[in-house]
Amino acid sequence: AQTVTQSQPEMSVQEAETVTLSCTYDTSESDYYLFWYKQPPSRQMILVIRQEAYKQQNATENRFSVNFQKAAKSFSLKISDSQLGDAAMYFCAYRKTFYNQGGKLIFGQGTELSVKP
Amino acid sequence: EAGVVQSPRYKIIEKKQPVAFWCNPISGHNTLYWYLQNLGQGPELLIRYENEEAVDDSQLPKDRFSAERLKGVDSTLKIQPAELGDSAVYLCASSQRTGEGYTFGSGTRLTVV
Repeated sequence: AQTVTQSQPEMSVQEAETVTLSCTYDTSESDYYLFWYKQPPSRQMILVIRQEAYKQQNATENRFSVNFQKAAKSFSLKISDSQLGDAAMYFCAYRKTFYNQGGKLIFGQGTELSVKP
Repeated sequence: EAGVVQSPRYKIIEKKQPVAFWCNPISGHNTLYWYLQNLGQGPELLIRYENEEAVDDSQLPKDRFSAERLKGVDSTLKIQPAELGDSAVYLCASSQRTGEGYTFGSGTRLTVV
């Protein structure tokens, strides 16, 4: 069975600084998707960034980027130039591909990020 | 375009009472998901629908939980009777059959007293 582990329950960063959130996962599949979701107090899960396992290039979305290490099964999120609005719970998630009966997201335990002004 | 709509946003009930949650997915999304999120944890899948068919309900406690998706659009998740341990956030999501466009609703926070 696939598992996702986030070992940092809480992280803190100064406004405008850079922070990295860690995530490891376990799977026997060679092709899959990895995601980072943000969950503010409004509770809605907001997709931050996604990575296809077959792509070697790390995904980037504006101030958000990932370090995807497939062999090590590691998927960290880097937030640059942190803003007050980045404060939220961040979840790492895994999903199989559609052709492998994908659909179900498997989430980690979450990392609570606080941003200090 | 409206996102995934869930209601109610909050619900407080006494234990042993029934409760129901409603979800309206994004138009055109064949796949609908119900997730359970306990406090301080990541969501866990309860059930997944492909149109009207429940294709993954292995994590749904069938002794007290039930779900339906009539006509392959809206869905209802029911708990009867509710227990104190059911207090959590219930999230609904929808996507295209390929998993593209995966979108979550704002969830229903259930408190059982």
